[in-house]
Amino acid sequence: DAGITQSPRHKVTETGTPVTLRCHQTENHRYMYWYRQDPGHGLRLIHYSYGVKDTDKGEVSDGYSVSRSKTEDFLLTLESATSSQTSVYFCAISALGTDLSNQPQHFGDGTRLSIL
Amino acid sequence: AQKVTQAQTEISVVEKEDVTLDCVYETRDTTYYLFWYKQPPSGELVFLIRRNSFDEQNEISGRYSWNFQKSTSSFNFTITASQVVDSAVYFCALSEAPGSQGNLIFGKGTKLSVKP
Repeated sequence: DAGITQSPRHKVTETGTPVTLRCHQTENHRYMYWYRQDPGHGLRLIHYSYGVKDTDKGEVSDGYSVSRSKTEDFLLTLESATSSQTSVYFCAISALGTDLSNQPQHFGDGTRLSIL
Repeated sequence: AQKVTQAQTEISVVEKEDVTLDCVYETRDTTYYLFWYKQPPSGELVFLIRRNSFDEQNEISGRYSWNFQKSTSSFNFTITASQVVDSAVYFCALSEAPGSQGNLIFGKGTKLSVKP
């Protein structure tokens, strides 16, 4: 199994509070991603990182920020959580190469976040 | 724009039946990658297969087979002699050329229930 650890695995918090989710990898992969999974929507990309301090927005980035100060850690922050951000959050990593062989993304076990 | 459509929201079969999960994709790129992931009730995402756009050869892995047809933009997944352990949500996903940073566009998923 790919060495990806998400923490916390479950969290319940109140509207308006800040929340930070952590993704830690032991594979030394360059690319890391945050997705959210909601019923009827599949998984949607929030933000991704292609190196230390190199990040970019995905499809549903509003209300989220990310940081990557080390190769192994990718943090997702909800500055002021809202009920619409209740979701399951998945981190993924990829050893994306430069040839035509796109490496598959491997996913963490997810974080279930409930905002009341 | 890229898009992945899994028209079947839920499928229910009886054990030992064959079942095909449909996936239709849209992309303007000539180089792209298609994936299938499995999400069992425990919630993790398990990589099943990757196929690049230059390889239209069908693939078989045990009871699993995949049919890639560029002419119809489809990448269908067949499970032969289904088993209860195949019960899961299955996601089809698309990633464009390496320049896209490997971001995955997911379909909404098909929930497969295999009854004994």
